[in-house]
Amino acid sequence: DAGVIQSPRHEVTEMGQEVTLRCKPISGHNSLFWYRQTMMRGLELLIYFNNNVPIDDSGMPEDRFSAKMPNASFSTLKIQPSEPRDSAVYFCASSLFREQFFGPGTRLTVL
Amino acid sequence: GEDVEQSLFLSVREGDSSVINCTYTDSSSTYLYWYKQEPGAGLQLLTYIFSNMDMKQDQRLTVLLNKKDKHLSLRIADTQTGDSAIYFCAENNYGQNFVFGPGTRLSVLP
Repeated sequence: DAGVIQSPRHEVTEMGQEVTLRCKPISGHNSLFWYRQTMMRGLELLIYFNNNVPIDDSGMPEDRFSAKMPNASFSTLKIQPSEPRDSAVYFCASSLFREQFFGPGTRLTVL
Repeated sequence: GEDVEQSLFLSVREGDSSVINCTYTDSSSTYLYWYKQEPGAGLQLLTYIFSNMDMKQDQRLTVLLNKKDKHLSLRIADTQTGDSAIYFCAENNYGQNFVFGPGTRLSVLP
């Protein structure tokens, strides 16, 4: 298996632009997680899905953030409009019961 | 809610053993995990232990669980420079969310 796939790996955008991050979980996994990592705040859970249904989105910072999982093999995290404070590494992870595997992350820079 | 705590930094000399500690609050935790993050990379699952076990050994890694004190530790024997990374402790209540600690940055000195 190729593991969790994220795209793009790097994204540089200007304040106010829309940003879409993409994730393909490991085939057969039934849970998908979006995390954000910064030096100041560490690793934060934004949202997680179980069987494509959002279970807990309490970590989504503002209405500017939205996440979707239209099917078992694809999820997106969208930021609209983006702000400089959104600059971070965004990780997607997937799991089946007890093992959770992370993707390589998307490094987002908002100028 | 659930909380996982770790010390933030640890320095050891190459060849020594490293012990990274973690405490958690959720007594219903089913699995406890250790992840490793190298610079510029994602989190890599190192090992995990089921809550009814006291110890698990995997080559240079030894995990100890004290369920009564809600304390988890990761011992790395013969620590090498390649072990320098951030180590995250995490807990999971079977089928629910994973809760991560803040990570311990391990520095291995030559």
